[in-house]
Amino acid sequence: SQQGEEDPQALSIQEGENATMNCSYKTSINNLQWYRQNSGRGLVHLILIRSNEREKHSGRLRVTLDTSKKSSSLLITASRAADTASYFCATDGGAQKLVFGQGTRLTINP
Amino acid sequence: GAVVSQHPSRVICKSGTSVKIECRSLDFQATTMFWYRQFPKQSLMLMATSNEGSKATYEQGVEKDKFLINHASLTLSTLTVTSAHPEDSSFYICSARTSGGYQETQYFGPGTRLLVL
Repeated sequence: SQQGEEDPQALSIQEGENATMNCSYKTSINNLQWYRQNSGRGLVHLILIRSNEREKHSGRLRVTLDTSKKSSSLLITASRAADTASYFCATDGGAQKLVFGQGTRLTINP
Repeated sequence: GAVVSQHPSRVICKSGTSVKIECRSLDFQATTMFWYRQFPKQSLMLMATSNEGSKATYEQGVEKDKFLINHASLTLSTLTVTSAHPEDSSFYICSARTSGGYQETQYFGPGTRLLVL
């Protein structure tokens, strides 16, 4: 079953603005990962944050993790048209399996 | 980074036929591969976990006799959709997990779009 809930389901912003997506989960985790999927394509791994970490950066990406609230956020700064994609969080509970959220469809308008 | 390929990328078949999808790790050995199914505008649903040299572990609700998985080597896993029906039409994605070092990251293939007529 999908334990990750993401919001918003869809987000449309202007190029240059920041985009924030949120993910909530239900069970304890070892780590949480964010992936990007362009339409009809496979997934690209963006960033992994472990359960003992609170924040992580990678380029224009910033991920936070709050294990007390069982939630994570992905911030994309200075968005570009090429950032248009679906973004999924996935939790790893330690059974080697990833459980994906429902995803956020992000549209960057030029 | 690690590369995972899938073949074919797209397949159209008649109802009742079987379709085989290959998943290969090109530059690393993968003791574990995963098969997912994704319906339009929906998330990925794990179908099964495939370990090299052993039987696959299927998720609840996934018919093992319909979705045959073989992981014969450290670089290849295959998913065969037997007696395919229109409701099996979907996007099938595999991923592979490295066998050494830190095993947290899964590397995903580009997906195979199956259309059953």
